[in-house]
Formats: sequence, C-alpha cells, structure tokens
Amino acid sequence: AQSVSQHNHHVILSEAASLELGCNYSYGGTVNLFWYVQYPGQHLQLLLKYFSGDPLVKGIKGFEAEFIKSKFSFNLRKPSVQWSDTAEYFCAVNGQGSWGKLQFGSGTQVVVTP
Amino acid sequence: NAGVTQTPKFRVLKTGQSMTLLCAQDMNHEYMYWYRQDPGMGLRLIHYSVGEGTTAKGEVPDGYNVSRLKKQNFLLGLESAAPSQTSVYFCASSRVGTGELFFGEGSRLTVL
Repeated sequence: AQSVSQHNHHVILSEAASLELGCNYSYGGTVNLFWYVQYPGQHLQLLLKYFSGDPLVKGIKGFEAEFIKSKFSFNLRKPSVQWSDTAEYFCAVNGQGSWGKLQFGSGTQVVVTP
Repeated sequence: NAGVTQTPKFRVLKTGQSMTLLCAQDMNHEYMYWYRQDPGMGLRLIHYSVGEGTTAKGEVPDGYNVSRLKKQNFLLGLESAAPSQTSVYFCASSRVGTGELFFGEGSRLTVL
C-alpha cells in the first residue's frame, strides 16, 4: 500500500527565514504529487502539484517543490516566509491505477513569528 | 461559483444518535470523497465515489455509510454515532484521472 511521510510535525521560524518541508512516499509506479495548505480555520487549498515534466514545480505564494524520483521525495520550499504563511501543510500522493484515492501525509504545522 | 459546499458546518450529537452530512458540488466533477481530519493523523479517506450511483470504501469506512444518488451530491451518514467519530469532516471532488481535489470548508462533529 502506498504511504506518505512528512518528517516535521511542527516548525517554528521567523519571518524572512527559509522553509523546507520534507515529504517522502512509498509507491513503485507512476505518481501524482501534491502539496495542500490549510490556513487557520479554513479548508484545504492546493498549493502546487506535479504530474510530469520539469521536476521543479512552482505554486502559489512563492512556494516551490522538487520531485526527486530516486529518493521518492517531493520537498516543499520557500526562500523567505511571511507571517501569513502560518498554516498546516499536507503532502499527498496518488498512484497509477488509484487516481481517485489521494493519500495524505500527517501534516506539518508551520508557525511564522513576526 | 460555490465549488464544494458542506452542511451542516457544526453539529453536536449524543452517542447513538444518527445524522447525515450533505456535500454538494457545482463543478460537474465525477469523483467525490469524504475525509476525516484528526490531529496528527492528516486526512483519512472514509468513502469515495467515482460516479453517480457508485460508492467505495476508503481507509476508515467503519461506522459510516454513503450515497451518491445525484452526481452533484454525496451524503455521509452516521447510523449510531460514537465518541471516536468526533472529528472534522471534509468533502472533496475532482475530475476524472487527476487527483486534484477541491475541498469544502469542513463540518465539525462532536459526539458526546
């Protein structure tokens, strides 16, 4: 069965610091990869996605993620965070043959202090 | 464009009571899902549907039933609520073959 691991459960950093959140998945076939964000009190929103092509994908609000197939990783990065980036971030994966079932990681709570 | 709408947004139940959560989407998506979100566990798939009249079990289906009588609606039912079903429930929908989900705002359910 496929699984998704997010290594950091809580991250606290100051404004202007750089952010990197780790995500590893276990699935042997073709995958689609996603990062979703949940701002306090809101529903999940898509941050960025990777289906194929350039392994470095850019999303909204200055976020980017790099797909490294050999490492089964899809890490999320932002060079300089803002207080408004305080949120919970979820990595998600689905695989060929199960496109209808998205497997989520346990989430990383990010707190950005002014 | 409303997207995905869930009702109710908040509900408190006593153990053993029943209730139904309604999800409606106006994007003509084929796929619909019900997830539950619990602290430290991410989102776990309860049931999903790949089309009108079809449903399937997800990761944590026990204690829940679903129905998809109309393409735009996906109902989640709890026949006999238990405290372990206290959670935030999210409905989502997607087009065929993408896995890119569009979420509703969530329904917070407390079972006493």
